[in-house]
Amino acid sequence: EAQVTQNPRYLITVTGKKLTVTCSQNMNHEYMSWYRQDPGLGLRQIYYSMNVEVTDKGDVPEGYKVSRKEKRNFPLILESPSPNQTSLYFCASSPLRGVPEAFFGQGTRLTVV
Amino acid sequence: AQTVTQSQPEMSVQEAETVTLSCTYDTSESDYYLFWYKQPPSRQMILVIRQEAYKQQNATENRFSVNFQKAAKSFSLKISDSQLGDAAMYFCAYRSLSAANNNDMRFGAGTRLTVKP
Repeated sequence: EAQVTQNPRYLITVTGKKLTVTCSQNMNHEYMSWYRQDPGLGLRQIYYSMNVEVTDKGDVPEGYKVSRKEKRNFPLILESPSPNQTSLYFCASSPLRGVPEAFFGQGTRLTVV
Repeated sequence: AQTVTQSQPEMSVQEAETVTLSCTYDTSESDYYLFWYKQPPSRQMILVIRQEAYKQQNATENRFSVNFQKAAKSFSLKISDSQLGDAAMYFCAYRSLSAANNNDMRFGAGTRLTVKP
């Protein structure tokens, strides 16, 4: 089954404690991205990657890091989380050829206290 | 950069009736894709319908159809015969096909649809 797997689904952490949210896709998509969803703001892109070892900032990259060492994986790293990073996070993947439909992970509800 | 605007934060519809959700966008590109995604309480993002800008014919998927007005940069979603399961947040999205724009994908702020029995 074609899917994007994102873990964990829920996470409560304390300010400053490093965390990683994992994302993996099995569709051989070149393009992967991370979004945060906040009420009234829709989905805003944090980082994206157009292929292995190629990553770039989206609209709200501050406080986040990513890596793309393998085509299927695109983890999101918060080195020192702060309360303003409390949000709903989505990983998505899509092909760069053909219909560029984005496939989403299940979402991660992150709370930073 | 492209922008997507959904001017209706909330909408409601009676079961079995028809509702239209609005979406406008701003772009200087000539070819792109537009999408509507549904997000039910489970939080999963589900593709409802897609439209390629070069295709003049409006896309239709069962009870869901769009009114795509390229010149007006408008992409509304019509839901016919609304069902209780249609209650969700709906997001309009724009996808650039330009490598120069990094195949950027932009979302609107969303419209929360309530379906009344």
